[in-house]
Amino acid sequence: DSGVTQTPKHLITATGQRVTLRCSPRSGDLSVYWYQQSLDQGLQFLIQYYNGEERAKGNILERFSAQQFPDLHSELNLSSLELGDSALYFCASGEAPLAFFGQGTRLTVV
Amino acid sequence: GQNIDQPTEMTATEGAIVQINCTYQTSGFNGLFWYQQHAGEAPTFLSYNVLDGLEEKGRFSSFLSRSKGYSYLLLKELQMKDSASYLCAVRSSSNDYKLSFGAGTTVTVRA
Repeated sequence: DSGVTQTPKHLITATGQRVTLRCSPRSGDLSVYWYQQSLDQGLQFLIQYYNGEERAKGNILERFSAQQFPDLHSELNLSSLELGDSALYFCASGEAPLAFFGQGTRLTVV
Repeated sequence: GQNIDQPTEMTATEGAIVQINCTYQTSGFNGLFWYQQHAGEAPTFLSYNVLDGLEEKGRFSSFLSRSKGYSYLLLKELQMKDSASYLCAVRSSSNDYKLSFGAGTTVTVRA
């Protein structure tokens, strides 16, 4: 158990809908990272938050957004969902140089 | 941009040794990571190299040559449970801790 908690574990939704994925980092970790892993691509970095502020941005679509709250949990919001958004979404936390991954949310868009 | 290459698949016999190579070309370098990922599960941290040389941790060792943009992960005394995908990842920036991942190497251990 990495100490990083993600909910829900599975999510099935229709195209055009909006979903929210939730992540609680390890106790004491200020950083949260979001990654997407689809079958045809490896792990792709989406965005990092540090103590409530956006720290780094990867290839995150404009339809996707994230935030980190004062209690340090983070939410990834995915809107106007497309079939191609079906993937495993991982959250990770940790301070340099390590990152520990949650179990992921498997999103299926139908 | 970031370019991280590793072989797609490798097969080895239980009890043997396997070496997974990773080459990288990135805009900066602040550390190389190896993760193990079983299908449908979270990546788990295996090793971290920031200086040249070999880091040994039990049955797993990782080597880094920064001048060659090259690393390898060595798995010794292979066990069936080692069948998994092994991901090479590079941290490029000193200002953040995002990782750029290779596509992963699927290792199959056969009896």
